[in-house]
Amino acid sequence: DIQMTQSPSSLSASVGDRVIITCRASQGIRNDLGWYQQKPGKAPKRLIYGASSLQSGVPSRFSGSGSGTEFTLTISSLQPEDFATYYCLQHNSFPQTFGQGTKVEIK
Amino acid sequence: QGQLVESGGGVVQPGRSLRLSCAASGFTFSSFSMHWVRQAPGKGLEWVAVISYDGGTTYYADAVKGRFTISRDNSKNTLFLQMNSLRLEDTAVYYCARDPVWGQGSLVTVSS
Repeated sequence: DIQMTQSPSSLSASVGDRVIITCRASQGIRNDLGWYQQKPGKAPKRLIYGASSLQSGVPSRFSGSGSGTEFTLTISSLQPEDFATYYCLQHNSFPQTFGQGTKVEIK
Repeated sequence: QGQLVESGGGVVQPGRSLRLSCAASGFTFSSFSMHWVRQAPGKGLEWVAVISYDGGTTYYADAVKGRFTISRDNSKNTLFLQMNSLRLEDTAVYYCARDPVWGQGSLVTVSS
C-alpha cells in the first residue's frame, strides 16, 4: 500500500499569511493526487485534482504543485473561511490512501 | 454536478450487520465509479471501498476486506455498503463519494 505522509499535522496562522502543506508518497504516484478541505461536521470538499488543477468554484488563492512523491498545497493569503482541516489523497493505486490531515488554526 | 444522500446508519451491536444506501441524482450514475470513505470520531479520513461504473470491479481497504461488500443498482441510481461482522472500530461517519460530489454522511455506531 502507498503511504501518504502529510506535514505539518497542525499549524497556527494569521489572516493574510501564506500557508504551505506538504504530502510525501512512499512511492511514485505521478500526479494522481487531490487536496481536500474539511470543516467540522461537514463532508470534505475537493480543492485540487491532478496535483495542480483547481476545482471549479475554488478561490485562486489555493494552488497545488508536485509530481512523483512530493506535493504541496499553498494558500497564498489565508482568509477567515480557510480555517479547516486539509487532507491529501492518492488515487494512483488501490487502496487509495489519505494523508493524516493538517489542521489550520487561527493564531 | 449532482447530489448524493446516504441513509441506513444507526446503532448496532458488535458482530451484527448493517446496510448503508446512497441515492444519487443530477448526474449519470451508471457512468461513474463510486466510493465509500469513512471518518471515525475525531480522526482523519479513511478510504473504504470502490466499485466500477458497471459493478464488475471492486476494491476494499484491508480493514474491511471480507466483511464489507460494496454494490450498486444502476436502475435505481443507488450505491450500497453491506457491513457484516461489525467491530467497535467501524464506528464512523460513512460518506459516499464521486468527486467532486460527496454525500452528507451517515453515522454508524457499533456499541454493546
